[in-house]
Amino acid sequence: AQSVTQPDIHITVSEGASLELRCNYSYGATPYLFWYVQSPGQGLQLLLKYFSGDTLVQGIKGFEAEFKRSQSSFNLRKPSVHWSDAAEYFCAVGASGNDMRFGAGTRLTVKP
Amino acid sequence: EPEVTQTPSHQVTQMGQEVILRCVPISNHLYFYWYRQILGQKVEFLVSFYNNEISEKSEIFDDQFSVERPDGSNFTLKIRSTKLEDSAMYFCASRENRDPYNEQFFGPGTRLTVL
Repeated sequence: AQSVTQPDIHITVSEGASLELRCNYSYGATPYLFWYVQSPGQGLQLLLKYFSGDTLVQGIKGFEAEFKRSQSSFNLRKPSVHWSDAAEYFCAVGASGNDMRFGAGTRLTVKP
Repeated sequence: EPEVTQTPSHQVTQMGQEVILRCVPISNHLYFYWYRQILGQKVEFLVSFYNNEISEKSEIFDDQFSVERPDGSNFTLKIRSTKLEDSAMYFCASRENRDPYNEQFFGPGTRLTVL
């Protein structure tokens, strides 16, 4: 069965610094991979997704993610973090697509 | 922009009571989902629904849970006899079609508190 691991529960970065959030997945075939963001009191918003093609995908709000099959990873990056990026970030994997398996989430705090 | 809506935003109930959480998916979407997130934990899949029947459910979705699309627009999750451990945020989601690459759009959630 597919599963997702986000090794970092909480990350703090300074505003303007670069960011990388880690995500490792477990699935037998090529998975459908997603990153969602959840701001306090809000639902989940899709940042980006990947299934095939270019392994570096661009998303909204200046985020990008790189799929690395050899490492079973799909890490999320942003070159320069803004205070408004403070939120909870979830990596998710879908297989049949009928459901998605989410990671435990990484809470991002942005220091001024 | 179309969005998924959920009501109520917060529901408080006594243990053993029945609750119904309501969702209005995006109007042209065909696949509907419920997820839950216990405080501080990951988002967990509960059930998916298509063509007026459950298409997939997780081990969490036991006989206490049921889903329904009563009127062609609402999509409801019923918990028959709530337990303390049902306290969580419940998210509804919808997707336009079966293509797993298509985005699932999530509602803002209903926070359920069982006392």
